[in-house]
Amino acid sequence: DTEVTQTPKHLVMGMTNKKSLKCEQHMGHRAMYWYKQKAKKPPELMFVYSYEKLSINESVPSRFSPECPNSSLLNLHLHALQPEDSALYLCASRSKDLSTDTQYFGPGTRLTVL
Amino acid sequence: GESVGLHLPTLSVQEGDNSIINCAYSNSASDYFIWYKQESGKGPQFIIDIRSNMDKRQGQRVTVLLNKTVKHLSLQIAATQPGDSAVYFCAEIPNRGQGNLIFGKGTKLSVKP
Repeated sequence: DTEVTQTPKHLVMGMTNKKSLKCEQHMGHRAMYWYKQKAKKPPELMFVYSYEKLSINESVPSRFSPECPNSSLLNLHLHALQPEDSALYLCASRSKDLSTDTQYFGPGTRLTVL
Repeated sequence: GESVGLHLPTLSVQEGDNSIINCAYSNSASDYFIWYKQESGKGPQFIIDIRSNMDKRQGQRVTVLLNKTVKHLSLQIAATQPGDSAVYFCAEIPNRGQGNLIFGKGTKLSVKP
């Protein structure tokens, strides 16, 4: 099983709203990631959590606030977003052993900021 | 900063033909290279990876080749099918990072029936 789930699938919000994106995996992976993807572009790293601790923040504005409640869950809290934040937000978890090191992605949340 | 790039932004092939998607990378200190397939409206789907100490790895209908001398990565798809139509990204994992991926620009593969 290499499934990463994300909710909601689509989200439309105003610039004054507060919303949260959720990500879940039950593969026992201890590193989880948030990426942002604009149309026709590759995903760009936002945050990395390793063993439930934030290890990388790629200079993301504070209107994006990540949270890792436990090893299976990853949230991204959104507040006072701008229209240019509209994008596909992808969650991934890392599978690493002696022979492989890769990430499995969820289906993403399509966010539209009005 | 260093990044992974692609030679061909679009590739159109006939159903049944073999496809080759290329990628040039500049970071020689990466441990793993990965190919992802992304269909419209979906997240990237893992296809195959290769470790930096290998030069070839085969999967089901796919083969990844790594040429470290010229820093080149390629994905070969045998007997391409309409369901293979998607954007393909190569990505690398730097050996001193947190496993985060550095993606190439992507190649759109269109399969004509």
